[in-house]
Amino acid sequence: DIQMTQSPSTLSASVGDRVTITCRASQSISSWLAWYQQKPGKAPKLLIYKASSLKSGVPSRFSGGGSGTEFTLTISSLQPDDFATYYCQQYNGFSPYSFGQGTKLEIK
Amino acid sequence: EVQLVESGGGLVEPGGSLRLSCAASGFIFSDVWMSWVRQAPGKGLEWVGRIKSKADGGTADYAAPVKGRITISRDDSKSTLSLQMNSLKNEDTAIYYCATLGCGGDCYADYWGQGTLVTVSS
Repeated sequence: DIQMTQSPSTLSASVGDRVTITCRASQSISSWLAWYQQKPGKAPKLLIYKASSLKSGVPSRFSGGGSGTEFTLTISSLQPDDFATYYCQQYNGFSPYSFGQGTKLEIK
Repeated sequence: EVQLVESGGGLVEPGGSLRLSCAASGFIFSDVWMSWVRQAPGKGLEWVGRIKSKADGGTADYAAPVKGRITISRDDSKSTLSLQMNSLKNEDTAIYYCATLGCGGDCYADYWGQGTLVTVSS
C-alpha cells in the first residue's frame, strides 16, 4: 500500500499569510494526487486534482505542485473561509487509494 | 446539479449488519465509478472501496480493513449505490460518505454526499 504523509499536522497562520502544506508519498505516484478541504461537520470538497489542476470554481489563491513523491498545496493569501483541515490523496491505481492524515489550518 | 444522498446509518451491535444506500442525481450514474469513504469520529479520511461502471466491468475493490465483510453494489436503473456491511466491529464506527470518481477510472472524488453515521456499540 502507498502511504501518504502530510506536514505539518497543524498550522497556525493569519489572514493574508501565504501557507504551504507538504504531502509525501511512500513511492512514486507520478501526478496522481488530489487535495481536499474539509470543514467541521461537512463533507470534504475537492480543490485540486492531478497535482496542480484547480477544480472549477475553486479560488485561484489555491495552487498545487510537485510530482513523484513530493507535493505541495499553497494558499497565496489566506482568507477567513480557508481555515479548515486539508487532506491529500493518491490515486495511482486502487492499491487502495489513500489519504494523508490531514493538516489542520488554524487562526493564529 | 450533482446530488448524493446517503441513508441507512444508525446504531448496530458488534457482529451485526447494516446496509447503506446513496441516491444519486444530476449526472448519468451508470457512466460513473463510485466510492465509499469513511471517517471515524475526530479522525481522518479512509477509503472503504470503489465500484467501476458496468461498461468497465462493474467490479468492486475494497480496502484491507473491510475486505470480506463488505459488499459494494450499484443499481443503475435506480441511480443508487449500496454498501452492505456485515460482521461489524466497534472500529467501523464512522461517518460513511459516498462519492463520485471524477475521471472515469481510478481517480479523485469530485462530488460527495453529506454522509451517514454508523455507530457500532453494544
